[in-house]
Amino acid sequence: AQRVTQPEKLLSVFKGAPVELKCNYSYSGSPELFWYVQYSRQRLQLLLRHISRESIKGFTADLNKGETSFHLKKPFAQEEDSAMYYCALSGTPRAGNMLTFGGGTRLMVKP
Amino acid sequence: ETGVTQSPTHLIKTRGQQVTLRCSSQSGHNTVSWYQQALGQGPQFIFQYYREEENGRGNFPPRFSGLQFPNYSSELNVNALELDDSALYLCASSPQSGANVLTFGAGSRLTVL
Repeated sequence: AQRVTQPEKLLSVFKGAPVELKCNYSYSGSPELFWYVQYSRQRLQLLLRHISRESIKGFTADLNKGETSFHLKKPFAQEEDSAMYYCALSGTPRAGNMLTFGGGTRLMVKP
Repeated sequence: ETGVTQSPTHLIKTRGQQVTLRCSSQSGHNTVSWYQQALGQGPQFIFQYYREEENGRGNFPPRFSGLQFPNYSSELNVNALELDDSALYLCASSPQSGANVLTFGAGSRLTVL
């Protein structure tokens, strides 16, 4: 079975502070991991995926298979980063595009 | 390029009724997935449609069913509505089955009284 856990429902930081949103997963095979973001009054959208190994809006995430984690990090938070963040996992291709989402973490960046 | 559109945006039903939700996929996308998002939770996969057939299903009972049409649009049908079916229903499209980058619609919020 696939499972994604985001232990923090809410993360509040000041502008300019580092941010780390935690994501742990459970999957027996080789997963593909994603971070999706939902800004206020906007749709859920892809932020980044581990296979791309890129930085989007200053965010990075490294897949740690030993710790089964895919934490999202940004060295200096901005107010516009305030949003709901979801970690997601894609497992077996036979399940189509089945993404298993975590419960989400609300990031609040205070001025 | 048009995005994913869903209708209706909000609706209210009573227990035992049936509901149909509709989704138009993004231009160029032939695969549609449906997710249920209960309040305060992450989206849960219901099923996916590709080439007008169900191509993967999550842990949802048979009273959740769907269709995909030749133009790649899709419907989600829920029979015998229960209070716990109250949720935001999200449609997402992708350019092909197995492609994991999804484009989401704004959702249809269903309230069951």
